Amino acid sequence: EAGVVQSPRYKIIEKKQPVAFWCNPISGHNTLYWYRQNLGQGPELLIRYENEEAVDDSQLPKDRFSAERLKGVDSTLKIQPAELGDSAVYLCASSHPWGWNEQFFGPGTRLTVL
Amino acid sequence: DQQVKQNSPSLSVQEGRISILNCDYTNSMFDYFLWYKKYPAEGPTFLISISSIKDKNEDGRFTVFLNKSAKHLSLHIVPSQPGDSAVYFCAAKETSGSRLTFGEGTQLTVNP
Repeated sequence: EAGVVQSPRYKIIEKKQPVAFWCNPISGHNTLYWYRQNLGQGPELLIRYENEEAVDDSQLPKDRFSAERLKGVDSTLKIQPAELGDSAVYLCASSHPWGWNEQFFGPGTRLTVL
Repeated sequence: DQQVKQNSPSLSVQEGRISILNCDYTNSMFDYFLWYKKYPAEGPTFLISISSIKDKNEDGRFTVFLNKSAKHLSLHIVPSQPGDSAVYFCAAKETSGSRLTFGEGTQLTVNP
């Protein structure tokens, strides 16, 4: 079974530029999560999707962050404009509808904002 | 506020000995706890979990202990192997909802 795929793996941009991250979850996993992991910290949930519906986006900074999961499969997370404090690893995870506790994580995208 | 805390940023043990990783939490609504392992440049991988109705769960070399009154859990790895060297994250979930709250992680190094 293929794992969660994320791209790009690394991204370096200047502040105020836009950036987008892409995630392809494990086939059949209806639930998709985006996390942000700051250096020396654990992952923090940004948004959770059940199919194409965002069911938990309370931690998403909506002034600059947006996400979509068209057709309930792939997902894109966007930041516009990026700030220095957005430098972090952005992790995507997916899980079965009945197996939320075992979330399968992708390798993440390491974002550096200069 | 940090609801899940791993106070030891790092731990070093000898191969074959026991590794004990600790985690404390403050939210009494947490009822399910998980440990994830993370290698460099990879995403976290689920390792083992425990429900609040239990005080121990074992899976091979890995055992998780839960002390609800102390709001403390620990992960024991016996015997430790060099391949266990990774960052270990403790995570917790509330009774309602599926959001996971993670600790800061502990870097375990197992020396041959």
